[in-house]
Amino acid sequence: DTGVSQNPRHKITKRGQNVTFRCDPISEHNRLYWYRQTLGQGPEFLTYFQNEAQLEKSRLLSDRFSAERPKGSFSTLEIQRTEQGDSAMYLCASSLGGNFNYGYTFGSGTRLTVV
Amino acid sequence: EDKVVQSPLSLVVHEGDTVTLNCSYEVTNFRSLLWYKQEKKAPTFLFMLTSSGIEKKSGRLSSILDKKELSSILNITATQTGDSAIYLCAAGLWKDSNYQLIWGAGTKLIIKP
Repeated sequence: DTGVSQNPRHKITKRGQNVTFRCDPISEHNRLYWYRQTLGQGPEFLTYFQNEAQLEKSRLLSDRFSAERPKGSFSTLEIQRTEQGDSAMYLCASSLGGNFNYGYTFGSGTRLTVV
Repeated sequence: EDKVVQSPLSLVVHEGDTVTLNCSYEVTNFRSLLWYKQEKKAPTFLFMLTSSGIEKKSGRLSSILDKKELSSILNITATQTGDSAIYLCAAGLWKDSNYQLIWGAGTKLIIKP
């Protein structure tokens, strides 16, 4: 386990379809974060988990978005009824509790294009 | 509202030049300032700064935090084309007993050969 893994790398979907992304964090990391990044912007926080508990959700996370981390390991982010404005890079990151010395470790992201 | 502002938004220099990137922050319960380098994919961690005035170095990169001025700089000396990237800074803060990051929009750095 050398890092945070995200699948798929790219997803093209038609407007109105549902999509699901997966994130596998570094195995010993108990915190997992989802971010969304659009061109020219820094990552925008969506939600985060400590173990299996979802502790915070951003206002950006509309009712069409749902995230789970059922066993405190991998996480999924689902977007229902996708809209063109959902097109972005979705980044997952993980960290080890309160050890912030190394920041967050990010996955390579899933680039979503809604057509 | 918590915010992080980076400047310049973009910068083009020639190989060998030295560059200084700026990051200023206004956040409550500030705890740390982080710098990341983002090339085509995800950001990779460079530095985390928590103490004012103590420089952190990694090769040609260095960074320092000024808590009085609520800012940080990232210096890159003897730049190389491989330094071309977006450099992101983020302020770490405690909010509702949780550690969170507020991100700047990044500085796009282009190094010309």
